[in-house]
Amino acid sequence: QVQLVQSGPEVKKPGAAVRVSCKASGNTLAKFYIHWVRRAPGQGLEWMATINPTGSYTRYAQKFQGRVTVTRDMSASTIYMDLSSLRSDDTAVYYCVKELNEFSSSFYFDSWGQGTLVTVSS
Amino acid sequence: QSVLTQPPSATATPGQRVTISCSGSSSNIGSNAVNWYQHLPGAAPRLLIYNTDRRPSGVPARFSGSKSGTSASLAVSGLKSEDEADYYCATWDDDLHGVLFGGGTQLTVL
Repeated sequence: QVQLVQSGPEVKKPGAAVRVSCKASGNTLAKFYIHWVRRAPGQGLEWMATINPTGSYTRYAQKFQGRVTVTRDMSASTIYMDLSSLRSDDTAVYYCVKELNEFSSSFYFDSWGQGTLVTVSS
Repeated sequence: QSVLTQPPSATATPGQRVTISCSGSSSNIGSNAVNWYQHLPGAAPRLLIYNTDRRPSGVPARFSGSKSGTSASLAVSGLKSEDEADYYCATWDDDLHGVLFGGGTQLTVL
C-alpha cells in the first residue's frame, strides 16, 4: 500500500509563501504522477497542480498559475508544493495525491496523503 | 459556483438506494470520463469511481457510476450509516485545461 506522508500544519501571514512536502513510500515517485488538491473550510475540493514521474512536466490550474510551483527531490522521495502571495482564502487543507495507474496522467486521484492544514491569518 | 453542478444535499435511510447527479457541459462531462470521490469527516478523500463506471479495488459493488450526455450519476445501493459523507464528481475540462470538481453533495443517512 502506497503511503504519502505530508508535512505538518502551517500558519502564515498574508503575502507570505508556504511549502508543503509529501514523502512517498517505496518507488512511488518514479512511476506515478502526483497531484495536489485542496479543500478550504466550507468549500469543495479543488485541483491545483500535477507533476510527472521524472519531474520534467508540470501542469497547474489556471487559478494558481504564477503562484504555485511543484517540484520533486527523487533522492528524498519527496514532492514539494510552494504557494506564494498567500491570501486568507488560501486557508485550506492541502493534499498530495497519487495517480491510480503507473506512468498515466488520467487524473484518477487514488491514494491521498493525510492532508496539511495551512492557515493564512494576520 | 462550480462549473459542475451537484445537489448540495441528499437524504436516505439505511438499505435504500440513492442517486447523486452531476451536471456539466460538452467541454467537460460531455467529452471526458467522470470520477467520483467520497470524503468522510476527518479523513482523506477516497476514489470511488473512475473512468465513469469503474471501481478501484476495495470499493464495494454497492457504488456505481454512469454518464449520459453532459450529466453523470453516482448510485449507492444498500445504504449504510458509514456512507454518510460528502461526494464529489470530477472531470477534465477541455476549455479550461484543468480538472474540475463539482460542488459536492452531503449525503445524510437517517
